[in-house]
Amino acid sequence: EAGVVQSPRYKIIEKKQPVAFWCNPISGHNTLYWYRQNLGQGPELLIRYENEEAVDDSQLPKDRFSAERLKGVDSTLKIQPAELGDSAVYLCASSFGRGRSNNEQFFGPGTRLTVL
Amino acid sequence: GESVGLHLPTLSVQEGDNSIINCAYSNSASDYFIWYKQESGKGPQFIIDIRSNMDKRQGQRVTVLLNKTVKHLSLQIAATQPGDSAVYFCAVSNDKLIFGTGTRLQVFP
Repeated sequence: EAGVVQSPRYKIIEKKQPVAFWCNPISGHNTLYWYRQNLGQGPELLIRYENEEAVDDSQLPKDRFSAERLKGVDSTLKIQPAELGDSAVYLCASSFGRGRSNNEQFFGPGTRLTVL
Repeated sequence: GESVGLHLPTLSVQEGDNSIINCAYSNSASDYFIWYKQESGKGPQFIIDIRSNMDKRQGQRVTVLLNKTVKHLSLQIAATQPGDSAVYFCAVSNDKLIFGTGTRLQVFP
């Protein structure tokens, strides 16, 4: 069974440029999460989707970050424009089940973003 | 809100010894706890979880202990192997997962 797929794995951009990350969750998982992981830190939730609905985006910096999950399957996270402080690993995770966050989450390998 | 912290940023153990990684949390209402393992270049991988109605749970070579009185949980790895080398995170769940900062486990021969 394929796990959570993310692309690209690595991205280097100059500040003020836009960037987008793509995630395909495990088949059948209706809940999808985007996390940001800074160097030496644990992941921090940016947004959680249940099907196509964003049910928790309280930690998403909405001035420059956006996300979508139009058909309730794969998802895209966008940053426009990117800033130096956005350099991090962006992780996507999915789980089966809805509601509270105590269903096992399966993580993708992440996209390592470097902003120069 | 919840805060989660691990006691040591790095733990070095000899192959075959037991490892203990500790974690503290702040919210006494937290009711679900998970340990993740993250290898270099990979996403976190679920190891074991425990709910607040339990104080101990065992898996294959791993045991998680939960002390709700002092808001502390630990991960014990028996007979640590080189393949156990990774960063270990505890995560606490109320409505969302809150991760700690991680402990890097180094296994030397």
